[in-house]
Amino acid sequence: DIQMTQSPSSLSASVGDRVTITCRASQGIRNDLSWYQQKAGKAPKRLIYAASSLQSGVPSRFSGSGFGTEFTLTISSLQPEDFATYYCLQHNSYPWTFGQGTKVEIK
Amino acid sequence: QVQLVQSGAEVKKPGSSVKISCKASGGTFNTAGISWVRQAPGQGLEWMGRIIPIVGITKYAQNFQGRLTITADKSTTTAYMELSSLEPDDTAVYSCAKGVALDPWGQGTLVTVSS
Repeated sequence: DIQMTQSPSSLSASVGDRVTITCRASQGIRNDLSWYQQKAGKAPKRLIYAASSLQSGVPSRFSGSGFGTEFTLTISSLQPEDFATYYCLQHNSYPWTFGQGTKVEIK
Repeated sequence: QVQLVQSGAEVKKPGSSVKISCKASGGTFNTAGISWVRQAPGQGLEWMGRIIPIVGITKYAQNFQGRLTITADKSTTTAYMELSSLEPDDTAVYSCAKGVALDPWGQGTLVTVSS
């Protein structure tokens, strides 16, 4: 199975900060990676697909990059509505696997 | 727009099984694939398995091999997830989600396993 190691597990940041979250795959997954945002009590929402493509309707402050084994999600200027938990998901090979999640909290 | 509607909350005894339904309406079902994801209280997302109804192919996470069965009824555009030999650690919200995008999601079904 492909392991997805996501870091950090949590972070505290202020509105306006630049935030970067990383996912590392245990083996190459090309760009078969998505990023999701989950708010408390809600279903996850996809932000990024194919590692770097912005989902329609998602603000442009979100961006993704990476290929192979190293991936990042960047929020260029954190907004109050961005405080949530973020997950990466690889769908390159079965079983699909999520990262452990990164909780973004208000500083 | 596709909508996924799941069956209601369940309370189960250890050792029993649970079967949850996920009905799709308003879009493709047979070719898109339906995944099941669970989230234990305060924990992260765990991908359990997937079915592609048009070909009946299923894939499962190793953690659930032998006790997870995912099926689909093309005539009613409904997917099912059955988990057997339940333990208290299986207490979680179980959700279905469509396609590679995992979008949309069902509303989630809380399964509580307790004696």
